[in-house]
Amino acid sequence: QVQLVQSGGEVKKPGASVKVSCKTSGYTFTNYGIIWVRQAPGQGLEWMGWINTYDGNTDSTQNFQDRVIMTTDRSTNTAYMELRNLRSDDTATYYCARSCSGGSCYSHFWGQGTLVSVSS
Amino acid sequence: DIQMTQSPSSLSASVGDRVTITCRASQGINNHLAWYQQKPGKVPNLLIYDASTLQSGVPSRFSGSGSGTDFTLTIRSLQPEDVATYYCQKYNSVRGTFGPGTKVDIK
Repeated sequence: QVQLVQSGGEVKKPGASVKVSCKTSGYTFTNYGIIWVRQAPGQGLEWMGWINTYDGNTDSTQNFQDRVIMTTDRSTNTAYMELRNLRSDDTATYYCARSCSGGSCYSHFWGQGTLVSVSS
Repeated sequence: DIQMTQSPSSLSASVGDRVTITCRASQGINNHLAWYQQKPGKVPNLLIYDASTLQSGVPSRFSGSGSGTDFTLTIRSLQPEDVATYYCQKYNSVRGTFGPGTKVDIK
């Protein structure tokens, strides 16, 4: 069965970086993209970016373009999202989800979420 | 970028009521719209994709309609387990923006 398993919660100081992993199984990794979505406490879902797991092509919203790096390791079927120069308002649960190879689409399969807390 | 809005932002209805949530895109997105249900502390759950296709396993009291810029999610007969926040998401391009959400409670 399709599974996306994310790394554990992190506590970071402002200005630091965080790297969240999303290990997938149960399907051909390179046939689908991965999107990253975040949710601040008590807030809605915010689409962050997408990675083509076949060729590594990425796209992200202007909110994150300068600070987010999305990568994959095809040998372990794992996607990574690194967010740099963290601020307190980056405190959120970060989700990965399986998407389409050509870009964003609907996501039936999601990771369990990774809580990232940013505090001095 | 295309913006997504939802209305209402919250609603309270009785068990058995028909509930309708509206999602509007700032530009046409054909039928490239999904609806998700998220219960507190849980991962979003896909209900509807391509505006009106029910995801396998989702109760048939949920339905979606619309095309272009205006879309609706309908819960035909609200049940206690439907208490959640509902989000629309567009995916007509690489970027998949979510609406702000509609919180549904039982009166």
